[in-house]
Amino acid sequence: EIVMTQSPATLSVSPGERATLSCRASQSVSSDLVWYQQKPGQAPRLLIYGASTRATGIPARFSGSGSGTEFTLTISSLQSEDFAVYYCQQHYNWPPVTFGQGTKVEIK
Amino acid sequence: EVQLVESGGGLIQPGGSLRLSCAASGFTVSSNYMSWVRQAPGKGLEWVSVIFGGVSTYYADSVKGRFTISRDNSKNTLYLQMNSLRAEDTAVYYCARDPGIAPSSPARGYFDLWGRGTLVTVSS
Repeated sequence: EIVMTQSPATLSVSPGERATLSCRASQSVSSDLVWYQQKPGQAPRLLIYGASTRATGIPARFSGSGSGTEFTLTISSLQSEDFAVYYCQQHYNWPPVTFGQGTKVEIK
Repeated sequence: EVQLVESGGGLIQPGGSLRLSCAASGFTVSSNYMSWVRQAPGKGLEWVSVIFGGVSTYYADSVKGRFTISRDNSKNTLYLQMNSLRAEDTAVYYCARDPGIAPSSPARGYFDLWGRGTLVTVSS
């Protein structure tokens, strides 16, 4: 089973600033990496698939990069609605798919 | 509207059984690969099970032999039968759709549509 590790656990950012979230896989997952956003009391929402392709309706301020074992989600200018928990997930070698433990983006 | 609506959660004693339902609208579950994903209170996401186009099913090791995924195409509904429940099964259970369309394209292994979830609490 591939282990996904996200860092940091919590990221404190001011509105309008850039946020950079990291995700590392225990072995190569090629570009089979997605990112989700989850707000309190809500289901996760797909943000990025294929490591770098935005899902339908996702604003351009969200971008993904990386391949192999190192991945990054960047939010270029944080808006109030972006404060949430973000999860990465690999689907290179599945089942099972595996998720990172999440990064909480909070208001500084 | 394209959506998934889960139901069937509740409080159940350890060792008990529960069946969760996930009603789909706006698309057909028979044409998609469908999964269950759970989230323990205050914790991260854990994949539970997937059903592929025919009868192929897969499970997380933590639920193998106790949970069964199925679907009723006539009702456009996905199910999760959960037996021998344990305290560690306490979680919000989400059903989720894979963007792959059966049988013309393979399952992708990620989820582009989620339900709002149903809470299962296993406690005496």
